[in-house]
Amino acid sequence: DTAVSQTPKYLVTQMGNDKSIKCEQNLGHDTMYWYKQDSKKFLKIMFSYNNKELIINETVPNRFSPKSPDKAHLNLHINSLELGDSAVYFCASSRGLPINTGELFFGEGSRLTVL
Amino acid sequence: AQSVTQLGSHVSVSEGALVLLRCNYSSSVPPYLFWYVQYPNQGLQLLLKYTTGATLVKGINGFEAEFKKSETSFHLTKPSAHMSDAAEYFCAGGGSQGNLIFGKGTKLSVKP
Repeated sequence: DTAVSQTPKYLVTQMGNDKSIKCEQNLGHDTMYWYKQDSKKFLKIMFSYNNKELIINETVPNRFSPKSPDKAHLNLHINSLELGDSAVYFCASSRGLPINTGELFFGEGSRLTVL
Repeated sequence: AQSVTQLGSHVSVSEGALVLLRCNYSSSVPPYLFWYVQYPNQGLQLLLKYTTGATLVKGINGFEAEFKKSETSFHLTKPSAHMSDAAEYFCAGGGSQGNLIFGKGTKLSVKP
């Protein structure tokens, strides 16, 4: 039973398209995140939600819009995809803030390729 | 600015040899430090963490790390490498907003 699950795992699409990645966690956590990992493996936080409220919104183009319908779900919608959006996107969750609880639980990632 | 720096993007050791992966953090990072491991095509999983208390922290799979405030370091070690240890390792520190700031990662290769 997967703790943090993301769909789809792979996504190949053309420039200019709009796509969504879904994330669900069954751990009962109240904080969820989206991270972007580039081709050099660098991990950068994009967004964080706590109890459905946006608490971290890093410098990310507004083509990226997160949505949290409830505590267990955090989806990522991307408009007008660009080549530079190609990356692996990781969803993660934690009970409270990770510096307090010490652990992020990651999904397996969604590899987005923009052609 | 807060930062976590991993020295060496790639470390190669022989099976059975000592593993040493280096991590330094900026003094502006709160003293919550973590090591995560990423196996190919998988998400990250926690190896070990330092929050308070004993500065030598033991984690899973025989790894340990020592928090040294005077050196602003949190290096990861394992006495004897196994082939299964080959992976990407990330050091992380607590950010100002309670999130984690990750280093750029170190790829560990283990030679037979």
